[in-house]
Amino acid sequence: DIQMTQSPSLLSASVGDRVTLNCKASQNIYKNLAWYQQKLGEAPKLLIYNANSLQTGIPSRFSGSGSGTDFTLTISSLQPEDVATYFCQQYYSGNTFGAGTKLELK
Amino acid sequence: EVQLQESGPGLVKPSQSLSLTCSVTGYSITSSYRWNWIRKFPGNKLEWMGYINSAGSTNYNPSLKSRISITRDTSKNQFFLQVNSVTTEDTATYYCARSGGIPLFDYWGQGVMVTVSS
Repeated sequence: DIQMTQSPSLLSASVGDRVTLNCKASQNIYKNLAWYQQKLGEAPKLLIYNANSLQTGIPSRFSGSGSGTDFTLTISSLQPEDVATYFCQQYYSGNTFGAGTKLELK
Repeated sequence: EVQLQESGPGLVKPSQSLSLTCSVTGYSITSSYRWNWIRKFPGNKLEWMGYINSAGSTNYNPSLKSRISITRDTSKNQFFLQVNSVTTEDTATYYCARSGGIPLFDYWGQGVMVTVSS
């Protein structure tokens, strides 16, 4: 199985900050990576697919980059409503998720 | 709008079976797409469990294949999850979700928390 490792597990940032979340695959997954956002008590929401494609309806402050084994999700200007846990998912071989990064306001 | 809603018992005893229902509105599960079950363990790890597609074929996570079954009732636009011989390791929040041929999950239910305990 392909293992996905996210870092950091907890991130504190201020409104307006540029925030970067990391995801590392245990082997080359090319660009077969998605990002999900899960707010407390809600279902996960698909944000990014194919490493850098923005899902319809997602604000443009969210962006994804990377290929191979190293990927990032960037929020260009953190908003209060972005407080959530963010998961990455590989779908190159089967599909597996990372353990999440919890993003909180400082 | 597509909506999914899980239902089922919140407490199951060890060695028994866990049975959950996903009710879908706004889209027919026989039209297209794959209809999945995913669970999130305490500590946040997500695990894809399996799916039933619009034709009624199933595919399961190999780690669970011997213990799970996904079926459907097309007249009610529902699909179901059964997990046999549960242990405390099956304690999790269970979600149903829709995906296409590529496992990108674009619609999810709110989730149902299931605790396995005597």
